[in-house]
Amino acid sequence: GAVVSQHPSRVICKSGTSVKIECRSLDFQATTMFWYRQFPKQSLMLMATSNEGSKATYEQGVEKDKFLINHASLTLSTLTVTSAHPEDSSFYICSASPGRKPTGYSEQYFGPGTRLTVT
Amino acid sequence: GENVEQHPSTLSVQEGDSAVIKCTYSDSASNYFPWYKQELGKRPQLIIDIRSNVGEKKDQRIAVTLNKTAKHFSLHITETQPEDSAVYFCAASKGANTDKLIFGTGTRLQVFP
Repeated sequence: GAVVSQHPSRVICKSGTSVKIECRSLDFQATTMFWYRQFPKQSLMLMATSNEGSKATYEQGVEKDKFLINHASLTLSTLTVTSAHPEDSSFYICSASPGRKPTGYSEQYFGPGTRLTVT
Repeated sequence: GENVEQHPSTLSVQEGDSAVIKCTYSDSASNYFPWYKQELGKRPQLIIDIRSNVGEKKDQRIAVTLNKTAKHFSLHITETQPEDSAVYFCAASKGANTDKLIFGTGTRLQVFP
């Protein structure tokens, strides 16, 4: 159980175009989804937190008009990189949380990631 | 906001030896500390976690210790095996409504046969 998928797994696009990445929770409803970016040999950096039906909360330094996040349902969140540039090339990983357990914390389940290359 | 530091950045050990990775955090309100293993190009996998009401937790060859007063926690891997080679990340969370995780900088562990 607790499977999260991402699509596509790899994408190459030209500079100036937009790319949409999907994150789906396959066997549970995700009240919250998170989007991370990971550059080579670096850590996961949280970009934004999204709750179903509401606007995403972006971390400091992340341009919300460039990285559009939509969490339209309890099983799907999308990240759209608009007007992509080579410096946006990275590994984008989503995670999904089913909501807090009685113990107080809800585990995050990670997707397999999407490698974006902007040429 | 929360800041998580992790040391060392790289760690090489002989098979069978122990490996220890240490993390410190800045926000005393953090109360959940998971550890993830990430292989190249793959998703992070949760290997063990600890909550602030516990000082130590063990799962077979893996253990985690937490010192809330000093705001640091450590991962201990005993009897290391080549398949333990990966990048390990610690993380911290306040367990608040968003439950967001702040990751450490990562440790590349190499276990030589």
